[in-house]
Amino acid sequence: ILNVEQSPQSLHVQEGDSTNFTCSFPSSNFYALHWYRWETAKSPEALFVMTLNGDEKKKGRISATLNTKEGYSYLYIKGSQPEDSATYLCAWISGGSYIPTFGRGTSLIVHP
Amino acid sequence: NAGVMQNPRHLVRRRGQEARLRCSPMKGHSHVYWYRQLPEEGLKFMVYLQKENIIDESGMPKERFSAEFPKEGPSILRIQQVVRGDSAAYFCASSPLGRSTGELFFGEGSRLTVL
Repeated sequence: ILNVEQSPQSLHVQEGDSTNFTCSFPSSNFYALHWYRWETAKSPEALFVMTLNGDEKKKGRISATLNTKEGYSYLYIKGSQPEDSATYLCAWISGGSYIPTFGRGTSLIVHP
Repeated sequence: NAGVMQNPRHLVRRRGQEARLRCSPMKGHSHVYWYRQLPEEGLKFMVYLQKENIIDESGMPKERFSAEFPKEGPSILRIQQVVRGDSAAYFCASSPLGRSTGELFFGEGSRLTVL
């Protein structure tokens, strides 16, 4: 079984704090990695699609890095705001199946 | 609303009944993925379909579950003779291309409760 692991499982921070979490995936047969943001009672929405080792992507205060050789990606949020509260999912896509395999997510709660 | 539409949003069935969940992908998308989220679990892949074809059903239970994506109309996930363990949220996602690196576009899910 090829697992995608995310840590921590949950995170509570204060407004203004910067935070980061990790997605670990198999380093072999890498094709792509996705990050999604999932707010309660809504559907997951894509943040980043990453394909190349060393990729760095940024959208506003959120950024992500990718290391395909060691099998991990970091998501960073700078100056967290209450509206950043959500579950952040990563999905690994292998070159074998091309099916996105999701981690269980990191639940972020930002306290005002 | 041009997004992925799933219905019903909530479905209650008694053990032994059938459940049918529908997914209309985004306009122009011909690839549909179904995922299941059990309580306290993440999204687990079930099946990947293209119009009129099942591409990968490796995550689908062998019995009672089936999926289709006809030439016309929505994709349907069908669960026959439901049991309590089928209670979960079922999410559909679509993409315009298969085997692409592109993101998936998700619906809001259908929550099945089996009494």
